[in-house]
Amino acid sequence: GENVEQHPSTLSVQEGDSAVIKCTYSDSASNYFPWYKQELGKRPQLIIDIRSNVGEKKDQRIAVTLNKTAKHFSLHITETQPEDSAVYFCAARERGSTLGRLYFGRGTQLTVWP
Amino acid sequence: GAVVSQHPSWVICKSGTSVKIECRSLDFQATTMFWYRQFPKQSLMLMATSNEGSKATYEQGVEKDKFLINHASLTLSTLTVTSAHPEDSSFYICSATRTSGQKQYFGPGTRLTVT
Repeated sequence: GENVEQHPSTLSVQEGDSAVIKCTYSDSASNYFPWYKQELGKRPQLIIDIRSNVGEKKDQRIAVTLNKTAKHFSLHITETQPEDSAVYFCAARERGSTLGRLYFGRGTQLTVWP
Repeated sequence: GAVVSQHPSWVICKSGTSVKIECRSLDFQATTMFWYRQFPKQSLMLMATSNEGSKATYEQGVEKDKFLINHASLTLSTLTVTSAHPEDSSFYICSATRTSGQKQYFGPGTRLTVT
C-alpha cells in the first residue's frame, strides 16, 4: 500500500512569515493529493487538493506543488496568521483504487506566533 | 454543501458493552464512507471502507468482528464497537465521498471512552 511521509512534525513561525510542509509518497500510481487542517478536537477540513496532472495550485494564501518525478508535494502558506495554527495532514490516493482510500501523513503541528 | 454529521459526539461506556456510532451525509449522497481512528496527537488511521449495500472492506489489523460496519443507505453508515475495552477508547471519525467525486468530507468525530 501507499506510504506517506510528512515533515516537519512541528513548525513554529512568526505571524506574516511563510510556512512550508512537505510530504513524500511511495506509490507512483497515486493521483490525488489533498491537504487537511485540523484544529484541536475538531474535524479535519479540506483546505486544498491537487491532481497528478497539475503541478501547482493556489487558493489565496495557500498553494500546493506537486513533483511527480520525485514523488513529493508541498503545502505553502504565505502571510501566516495566528488562526492558521492547527495540525495539517497531507494524504495520497491510489489511482485506480475503486475504494478511494486516502493514506495520511503523520501531521504537522503549525504554530503561528503573533 | 457536503456536510457530514456524527452521533453521538461523545460517549462513555463500560467494558464489555457495545456502542454504535452513526455517520450521516446530510446534503449529498455518499457512495462510500470511511471510518478512521485517531489517537491524541496522532494521524488518522483508516479502519475500514464502507460502500452502500455491500460488505465493508477492513484494513489490515482491524478486527471486523469487533468493529461492525453497516452502510444501509446512501446517507448513513454505522460503526458498532462490540465488547468494548479501555484500549478501544479513542476518537472515531467518519468521512464520506459524493457519488461522483473523490473529495472526502469528514464528520466531527465521536470521542469514545471505555471505563
